[in-house]
Amino acid sequence: DGGITQSPKYLFRKEGQNVTLSCEQNLNHDAMYWYRQDPGQGLRLIYYSQIVNDFQKGDIAEGYSVSREKKESFPLTVTSAQKNPTAFYLCASSSRKTNEKLFFGSGTQLSVL
Amino acid sequence: AQTVTQSQPEMSVQEAETVTLSCTYDTSENNYYLFWYKQPPSRQMILVIRQEAYKQQNATENRFSVNFQKAAKSFSLKISDSQLGDTAMYFCAFIRPQGGSEKLVFGKGTKLTVNP
Repeated sequence: DGGITQSPKYLFRKEGQNVTLSCEQNLNHDAMYWYRQDPGQGLRLIYYSQIVNDFQKGDIAEGYSVSREKKESFPLTVTSAQKNPTAFYLCASSSRKTNEKLFFGSGTQLSVL
Repeated sequence: AQTVTQSQPEMSVQEAETVTLSCTYDTSENNYYLFWYKQPPSRQMILVIRQEAYKQQNATENRFSVNFQKAAKSFSLKISDSQLGDTAMYFCAFIRPQGGSEKLVFGKGTKLTVNP
C-alpha cells in the first residue's frame, strides 16, 4: 500500500542531544513537509521541500535541520539548539497530480527526558 | 502572507444534529485551494473535504459540505447528521499552488465534541 511512514512513534531526547525523525513515502510525491503540533494548537510549518536536494525554511525552522537526498525520504533532525522540542511532529507529502492535497504520516511524539 | 482563522476553539453538538464550523482566510491571490482536515484522538490527519477557489459550486462529501464565499474569504464546514465518530479537532487549511511557496497554512483548529 502506498503511504507515508514516520518512525519512531515515540522518541525521547536527553539534554544537549540531537535526534532524527524519519519520514519515508512511496507515493512518488515531489513535495514533502514537516509540521510541529503543540497540545491544543494548530500545525506550524518547520521545513518543506519541493524537489530533491532543495528545501526551504518554514515558519519555525530555528533549531531544526533537514535533508532531501532522495525523493522518498525527508528526515528531520531536532538539534540541541531547539530548547523546547517536546511536541507532536507530522510529516506530509503532496503532488500536483493530487491537486495539492497533503497526505500525512501517523506522527512522532518527541519528549524531553 | 496568508493567514487562516478559526474563531471557535471548541464546539459541541448532539448526535444526529447539524453543526457548522467557521473559517476565514486572508489572501490576495485568486487561485488557491482550501481544505478541512479532521484529527481524531489517534492524531492521524484525515482529509475531509477540498475546495478549488475557481469553482463556484460548493464541495460536498457525504454528510460534509462547505459554504465557500470567495468575496468574503469564508469557508465554513457543515456536518449533517453528526455521529460520535465525528468527535475530533477540525483544521481549516489554505494552499496557493505553483507560487514557488507551496505550503499549506493551517488554522488553529476547532475541537468538536459529538454528544450521545
